[in-house]
Amino acid sequence: QSVLTQPPSVSGAPGQRVTISCTGSSSNIGAVYDVHWYQQLPGTAPKLLIFGNNNRPSGVPDRFSGSKSGTSASLAITGLQAEDEADYFCQSHDITVGGYVFGTGTRVTVL
Amino acid sequence: QVQLQESGPGLVKSSETLSLTCTVSGGSISNYYWSWIRQPPGKGLEWLGYVYYGGGANYNTYNPSLKSRVSISLDTSKRQFSLRLISVTAADTAVYYCARNWGVGHNFDFWGQGMLVTVSS
Repeated sequence: QSVLTQPPSVSGAPGQRVTISCTGSSSNIGAVYDVHWYQQLPGTAPKLLIFGNNNRPSGVPDRFSGSKSGTSASLAITGLQAEDEADYFCQSHDITVGGYVFGTGTRVTVL
Repeated sequence: QVQLQESGPGLVKSSETLSLTCTVSGGSISNYYWSWIRQPPGKGLEWLGYVYYGGGANYNTYNPSLKSRVSISLDTSKRQFSLRLISVTAADTAVYYCARNWGVGHNFDFWGQGMLVTVSS
């Protein structure tokens, strides 16, 4: 059902850098629509992490960064911490759907 | 500060209609896109549709995968918007979130806490 594809899981030791990819197509990310990222802790609603491809809301640590190129986007977490263990979703807009689309989701595990 | 709160039955029988309401406190109702999003247990997020209020009228857009079964309405006087999903099956069991988006292509900035709705046979 998801239009945007993410790896199911990524892991890293504390202090390491991990990246999560979000692959779309010419009808969403490649159609100049922005990509946004959310962090979801167990049992809670998603929380906005990155908006407009590479902007952090107030209060989000600068360890989180985003980028976009062509039909894909990436979220990077540097200096991985235990509290970063969560599910992460990308989101964009899709011309074919006519509305919002989410990525398949990636679980980040801190080893 | 904007707050959203979902309410409604947590259990719905198969083939019946799922109805949820989201109450919005704080902020303006006008000129925002009010969405319903769901998440089946252990799975990803699926946008269901939105209602937009502007210029004195409501506008709707729905996910094509559910278009024939879903409808979203808005009551500005009560500051509530509602989801109606007909002919539900076990596949509709999910946590249902209401959320606000401020434009096409933009991010969701406020979310409700979510509500688990189970479809029983």
